[in-house]
Amino acid sequence: GEDVEQSLFLSVREGDSSVINCTYTDSSSTYLYWYKQEPGAGLQLLTYIFSNMDMKQDQRLTVLLNKKDKHLSLRIADTQTGDSAIYFCAERKPAGNNRKLIWGLGTSLAVNP
Amino acid sequence: KAGVTQTPRYLIKTRGQQVTLSCSPISGHRSVSWYQQTPGQGLQFLFEYFSETQRNKGNFPGRFSGRQFSNSRSEMNVSTLELGDSALYLCASSSSLTAFNTEAFFGQGTRLTVV
Repeated sequence: GEDVEQSLFLSVREGDSSVINCTYTDSSSTYLYWYKQEPGAGLQLLTYIFSNMDMKQDQRLTVLLNKKDKHLSLRIADTQTGDSAIYFCAERKPAGNNRKLIWGLGTSLAVNP
Repeated sequence: KAGVTQTPRYLIKTRGQQVTLSCSPISGHRSVSWYQQTPGQGLQFLFEYFSETQRNKGNFPGRFSGRQFSNSRSEMNVSTLELGDSALYLCASSSSLTAFNTEAFFGQGTRLTVV
């Protein structure tokens, strides 16, 4: 099917690392994304990884891609209360008429002081 | 520069009515795509436009339609509204179709409630 799966909730303490996991569906997907949604603020592209990469680091964010298992993770180091939001994993289908983003349902991250 | 602007922000309609939502992309962006977000189904792709042409379409019934104008502004229309059409409708813009691979700027969405 077309389901991108994520756990729905994650709770961490401020200063700890958060790891949000995602399983996607299509091994031929070209790009994989992490988006952040804060209440009333729309969706913000946090980071993306191209399918031929294993890892991408961007400041406090680390993305790991296991293409064999179709598993994507987002690690947020030194999590802050401002990181509380819903995080969406998405995969980009290959080019062509079916080129589109398939989204997970989102992981709600709660950061406790 | 201004971000993606969606109007209206909130809308309440009754079943059977039709509705038109508007999206103004970032200046210079020519690609616009639309998504429906509901708690149960998450984000679902509706359509994608570039240079006034629909380039890609999701699995939605024909009641959902859209268009893009020469200034890249886009509208989506839903006819014969059903209760299940209640959702947050999000629009995203990018400078081109391929640019959407690595950049996408979303508007704040239009919250449609069908009663």
